[in-house]
Amino acid sequence: SSELTQDPAVSVALGQTVRITCQGDSLRNSYATWYRQKPGQAPVLVIYGYNKRPSGISDRFSGSSSGNTASLTITGPQAEDEADYYCNSRDSSGNHLLFGGGTKLTVL
Amino acid sequence: QVQLVQSGAEVRKPGASVKVSCKASGYTFSSYDINWVRQATGQGLEWMGWMNPNSGNTGYAQKFQGRVTMTRNTSMSTAYMELSSLRSEDTAVYYCARSMILDNWGQGTLVTVSS
Repeated sequence: SSELTQDPAVSVALGQTVRITCQGDSLRNSYATWYRQKPGQAPVLVIYGYNKRPSGISDRFSGSSSGNTASLTITGPQAEDEADYYCNSRDSSGNHLLFGGGTKLTVL
Repeated sequence: QVQLVQSGAEVRKPGASVKVSCKASGYTFSSYDINWVRQATGQGLEWMGWMNPNSGNTGYAQKFQGRVTMTRNTSMSTAYMELSSLRSEDTAVYYCARSMILDNWGQGTLVTVSS
């Protein structure tokens, strides 16, 4: 399969922990990369490689993977974490990228 | 700091072409691939392809093969994405992004295809 599947929407209470998942065969051989996108803004990289965070990204964000499923965990999400989250990975050829459909995170 | 600055919004008629530019600064342009990603209103992100600014080598998503061309001007540290035979479904915000992990993004360029 050349697809990445994400739940369309997830909600979490302020301060609780939430896991956003991304499923696809390509994830068995390639790390997932995660992006946060707020309305009207360009996406921002939040997790890449083996659980790496770019400078400026809160340590509330972490990544993990098992089999064909990658996860983005937000520990103690804040109101400003409410956004759309997208995963991507390289496809089986290694030269092309695939995106998941995105997950809209609501922080209650 | 790394910056990618894209050209302004465009309006085209169906069947026409559009060329979007992406000017890089704050790093060595030839050292990182440039990817192009688009997003229709209210929809998800869609990867279009990549270009190596050093070699000019490209790789395009199958969906866009034959319609998209990615080029660069290394002396101006600028990448270009041209999409031809436009149709209404190509109306979207087009982003450039640096490297295969898309670590820095341009601000986006709205392309509207309408008769």
